[in-house]
Amino acid sequence: EADIYQTPRYLVIGTGKKITLECSQTMGHDKMYWYQQDPGMELHLIHYSYGVNSTEKGDLSSESTVSRIRTEHFPLTLESARPSHTSQYLCASSAKYGDTYEQYFGPGTRLTVT
Amino acid sequence: AQSVTQLGSHVSVSEGALVLLRCNYSSSVPPYLFWYVQYPNQGLQLLLKYTSAATLVKGINGFEAEFKKSETSFHLTKPSAHMSDAAEYFCAVSDSRAAGNKLTFGGGTRVLVKP
Repeated sequence: EADIYQTPRYLVIGTGKKITLECSQTMGHDKMYWYQQDPGMELHLIHYSYGVNSTEKGDLSSESTVSRIRTEHFPLTLESARPSHTSQYLCASSAKYGDTYEQYFGPGTRLTVT
Repeated sequence: AQSVTQLGSHVSVSEGALVLLRCNYSSSVPPYLFWYVQYPNQGLQLLLKYTSAATLVKGINGFEAEFKKSETSFHLTKPSAHMSDAAEYFCAVSDSRAAGNKLTFGGGTRVLVKP
């Protein structure tokens, strides 16, 4: 069973505030990902990392930034939150099983910007 | 480029009836295919995956999926629905030749199970 944690689970914050969404995993996985998911919609990859000091932007453009200073930690930061950032943010990590990597997801952070 | 299309954003089934969720993919290289389930206010959980071994893949909770290359499909089925199957289901594809397993997801299908 994968152990991947996200905090906070729910966040309501005003426009212009700086926020950091935390993601941690205890499996020692090198690869980690951030997805954005609007209600009833598919997941879109916004950031990924293949290891410490490695970060890349995903398929969906995002004003957020990420860092990967430690293997187990992959925080996402919004310098100035806006209502358009309201969404659910899911963190994942992956490991290789057999032929391919399997991604394990955290429970998500539901962000509301007022 | 890869893409996934899930036909039907909502499916309603009676308890005990067959569950069939449709997924078609587009990929220029041999794909790896996945089905995930998401319960309310939770992350995604892997149900099953196809990686070019057997075309009929069995997963958790009684689900299975069949890879059909000629139809570019990977439909998910369960013979008998249970109330606990009510959730959202996502089909995803990744490039078998790329490192790191970036996933492209379909739009999801929400399953409602009627007693």
